[in-house]
Amino acid sequence: EVHLLESGGGLVQPGGSLRLSCAASGFSFSSQDMTWVRQAPGKGLEWVSGISGSGGSTYYAGFVKGRCTISRDNSRNTLYLQMNTLRAEDTAVYYCATLTSGWYVGYWGQGTLVTVSS
Amino acid sequence: DIQMTQSPSTLSASVGDRVTITCRASQSISSWLAWYQQKPGKAPNLLIYKASSLESGVPSRFSGSGSGTEFTLTISSLQPDDFATYYCQQCNTYLSFGGGTKVEIK
Repeated sequence: EVHLLESGGGLVQPGGSLRLSCAASGFSFSSQDMTWVRQAPGKGLEWVSGISGSGGSTYYAGFVKGRCTISRDNSRNTLYLQMNTLRAEDTAVYYCATLTSGWYVGYWGQGTLVTVSS
Repeated sequence: DIQMTQSPSTLSASVGDRVTITCRASQSISSWLAWYQQKPGKAPNLLIYKASSLESGVPSRFSGSGSGTEFTLTISSLQPDDFATYYCQQCNTYLSFGGGTKVEIK
């Protein structure tokens, strides 16, 4: 059974940094493209970033503008999202998820809440 | 960036109703479109991919159609478990989601 468990969320001040982690199990992690999707409270889904199975290719939404870095450690079956220069509008639940061929979002984690506030 | 626009944003319907949700892309995305269902406090679930292919385990009352820039999700006979928010998503160029359609009880 596929299992994705996010961690690392919490309260951070504007301008601060946070690193989210996603521990994966139940599938061949290194063969799977992965992604981060966020959802602000009461709002819709917003794609943040994606990464190829090898980690050699990374992709970002325009609003990221160099503030985020996606990475993975295939030896630890773990996906990461480093977020810098955080703003109030980055407040959201951040979901880790698998990408199917064609980049549909297959399996989702339960999400981790990031709150940016002073 | 490809913008996805869903309509309506909210839909009130009764059990047994036929429900249709529309999604429009700002440019052609061929059939690179998916539909998801999300319930409060839960992660979304994939319903339809490649515009019209039903994900394994999804009831056959759900169907998708369209290509290019206009797509629809249809629920043939709304069931109590179907009251939720639905999102379309394009993957022609990276990913982007529509704003969502909340299906409420009438």
